[in-house]
Amino acid sequence: EDKVVQSPLSLVVHEGDTVTLNCSYEVTNFRSLLWYKQEKKAPTFLFMLTSSGIEKKSGRLSSILDKKELFSILNITATQTGDSAVYLCAFAASGAGSYQLTFGKGTKLSVIP
Amino acid sequence: SAVISQKPSRDICQRGTSLTIQCQVDSQVTMMFWYRQQPGQSLTLIATANQGSEATYESGFVIDKFPISRPNLTFSTLTVSNMSPEDSSIYLCSVASNRISTDTQYFGPGTRLTVL
Repeated sequence: EDKVVQSPLSLVVHEGDTVTLNCSYEVTNFRSLLWYKQEKKAPTFLFMLTSSGIEKKSGRLSSILDKKELFSILNITATQTGDSAVYLCAFAASGAGSYQLTFGKGTKLSVIP
Repeated sequence: SAVISQKPSRDICQRGTSLTIQCQVDSQVTMMFWYRQQPGQSLTLIATANQGSEATYESGFVIDKFPISRPNLTFSTLTVSNMSPEDSSIYLCSVASNRISTDTQYFGPGTRLTVL
């Protein structure tokens, strides 16, 4: 069965810390992996990764994919209280129902002043 | 990315009633989807809303319980029928466009539904 496992489930850090969030997946016909930030209700798109070893970066956030080991990490440097959210990882796979995203349960990040 | 709105943003409903949630996008999009997020759980796809034809439902979801319409490329509705407390969730629509990637889905602000 296709699945996504995120770790840790929750994390509390102080402002200025650097955090690494983990996402491992099991899927046949992998196509892409996506990261979202969820505050309140709506997930906000962060990154889409399709190739191994190529880092994607946006400000203090960066992410990389390892297709051989089937995992991805999301790094946040110099964390701020506004980074507090649930971070969701999802994959897309080719095949029947190929537009579906399968999500993990997320990592809840709390950044305290 | 597209601007997506959902109505209502939240509602409290009685058991046995139905609620229709609307999703409006400010530009034509290829794909529209409906997700559910139960308390403490992650997002689960309910169905893909197909323009002008019946929606494609995922395992565990049926049309009688979650009828969906998509009359054009910018609008869709999801109805939660004959509600029970187990239907209390956040309901989210999302869209994807061939112009970017059909894998990159953008989400609406969500509807928080509480069933008493």
